[in-house]
Amino acid sequence: SQQGEEDPQALSIQEGENATMNCSYKTSINNLQWYRQNSGRGLVHLILIRSNEREKHSGRLRVTLDTSKKSSSLLITASRAADTASYFCATDSTGRRALTFGSGTRLQVQP
Amino acid sequence: ETGVTQTPRHLVMGMTNKKSLKCEQHLGHNAMYWYKQSAKKPLELMFVYNFKEQTENNSVPSRFSPECPNSSHLFLHLHTLQPEDSALYLCASSTRQGVYGYTFGSGTRLTVV
Repeated sequence: SQQGEEDPQALSIQEGENATMNCSYKTSINNLQWYRQNSGRGLVHLILIRSNEREKHSGRLRVTLDTSKKSSSLLITASRAADTASYFCATDSTGRRALTFGSGTRLQVQP
Repeated sequence: ETGVTQTPRHLVMGMTNKKSLKCEQHLGHNAMYWYKQSAKKPLELMFVYNFKEQTENNSVPSRFSPECPNSSHLFLHLHTLQPEDSALYLCASSTRQGVYGYTFGSGTRLTVV
């Protein structure tokens, strides 16, 4: 069964605006990770947040994790056209041999 | 380049052909993975190898046959595929626990005709 579900499926914003993407999951996790994928390319690891962490920052990225609600959010501040990509959350859970990915959010940043 | 190299980047094959996808990493990672990415679907885990040993076969049809001769190389052998097998096949590697995330290759875009 699908572990991560991103919301929204697609998001279009203007350059300079903030973009927020959400991820919900079903089972207990060890950590949650966010990845970015440019069209037709491989995924690139952005940030990892552990189950005992609530917030993490990396440059223009801010990730929050609420384990009581089994949800996470990725905030990209001051977006740029180059941020246009698909963003995926992935969960690492005990008992699973590998990360489980969601369907992703397609972000379009208009210049 | 990410450090994980996949070849070929594009592959068109007939349903009766036999072909192989190759993945190579020199990051010192001990775990390697094959994922399948179809349009509008989540990434589907296919196979996991830890220290060259297969630790996961996610109910993948036998027309897909993985091979991991060493910790740096991973192959996916394909034979008698179906058109619905057309997808982007992604290879990834990580440390055994994967606690620093996965490093992905650029993928092989496979089209079965």
